[in-house]
Amino acid sequence: AQTVTQSQPEMSVQEAETVTLSCTYDTSENNYYLFWYKQPPSRQMILVIRQEAYKQQNATENRFSVNFQKAAKSFSLKISDSQLGDTAMYFCAFMKHEGSGGYQKVTFGTGTKLQVIP
Amino acid sequence: DAGVTQSPTHLIKTRGQQVTLRCSPKSGHDTVSWYQQALGQGPQFIFQYYEEEERQRGNFPDRFSGHQFPNYSSELNVNALLLGDSALYLCASSSDRRTPNNYGYTFGSGTRLTVV
Repeated sequence: AQTVTQSQPEMSVQEAETVTLSCTYDTSENNYYLFWYKQPPSRQMILVIRQEAYKQQNATENRFSVNFQKAAKSFSLKISDSQLGDTAMYFCAFMKHEGSGGYQKVTFGTGTKLQVIP
Repeated sequence: DAGVTQSPTHLIKTRGQQVTLRCSPKSGHDTVSWYQQALGQGPQFIFQYYEEEERQRGNFPDRFSGHQFPNYSSELNVNALLLGDSALYLCASSSDRRTPNNYGYTFGSGTRLTVV
């Protein structure tokens, strides 16, 4: 079974500054995906960024980037130029690489509540 | 292009009752997964439906059951409600027909269930 651990229950950052959210995971799989999801008060889970484990290059999406360390099973999210709209719960998540059975279940961490301060 | 639609948004039930939650997947998606998110926790996988059959199941009792209809919409049923079933229930849709622009899960905004 896979586990995802987020050790920072809450974090805050000044607007326009940079913040890094931590995530570690445990798995015996070699092929998998890692995700960061954002859940604002609207409750909808929104995909922020994804990383395929077979890719060595870290994923980036505009102000969001990850530091993927496969050997250490670490997957942190860096948010640059933080904006008020970034205030939300952030969940790190793991999914085995899909085989013939389609998309596998996603295993989520417990989340980090991020507050961006004006 | 409509996203994932869930209904109702909120409901309150009494312990021992039964409840049905509904989900309409994103246009073009054929797979529906259900997750339970307790307060202050990450979502937990309940089960996944594809081609009107349960394809995967998480560690949830048989009180949790589901159904998928020919139009790909889905229902989550919970019998004999317990206080501990109070949670946000999220529906996520996806497609087995993989394309670069049709990847991964799309989540709905959930149904907040309170059991009293």
